[in-house]
Amino acid sequence: DIQMTQFPSTLSASVGDRVTITCRASQSISSWLAWYQQKPGKAPKVLIYKASSLESGVPSRFSGSGSGTEFTLTISSLQPDDFATYYCQHYNSYPYTFGQGTKLGIK
Amino acid sequence: EVQLLESGGGLVQPGGSLRLSCAASGFTFTSYAMSWVRQAPGKAPEWVSAVSNRGDDTYYADFVRGRFAISRDNSRNTLYLQMNSLRAEDTAVYYCVKTATVTTSSNWGQGTLVTVSS
Repeated sequence: DIQMTQFPSTLSASVGDRVTITCRASQSISSWLAWYQQKPGKAPKVLIYKASSLESGVPSRFSGSGSGTEFTLTISSLQPDDFATYYCQHYNSYPYTFGQGTKLGIK
Repeated sequence: EVQLLESGGGLVQPGGSLRLSCAASGFTFTSYAMSWVRQAPGKAPEWVSAVSNRGDDTYYADFVRGRFAISRDNSRNTLYLQMNSLRAEDTAVYYCVKTATVTTSSNWGQGTLVTVSS
């Protein structure tokens, strides 16, 4: 099974900051990676799919990059609505495992 | 618009059974693999199981293999998860997911809560 290691697990930042979250796969997953945002009591929301494709309706301050085993999610200028938990998930082969999450809080 | 509506969750005793359903609409159900993903309170989501678009291939996480069974009824646009021999650690919100493809992202339902407790 492919393991996904996500870091940092927690992150404190201010409105307007640029933040980066990293996800590392235990073996190559090509570009088969998605990033999600989740708020309490809600289902995960797709932000990025196929490593760098922006989901329709998601603000352009979110971007994804990487291929193979190393991937990043970048928020170019944090907005108040962005404080949430973020997860990566690969979909290269079953089981489609998730990273352990990054909780983004207000500094 | 893709809609996925889960039902069937609830409180069940350890060792008991439950069947989850997911009614799908807004897309061609027979064209997509479907999955179940769960999330225990305060934890990351966990992929549970998937079924191919025609229902002839199924996949399971190790922690449910032999206890859970995924199936689909393409005539009813409905996905199922039969859960047997339930354990306390199966307590979670269970999400129905239209699986991502090479060109499209995934879509998620709102989830149904399963609580395994005596």
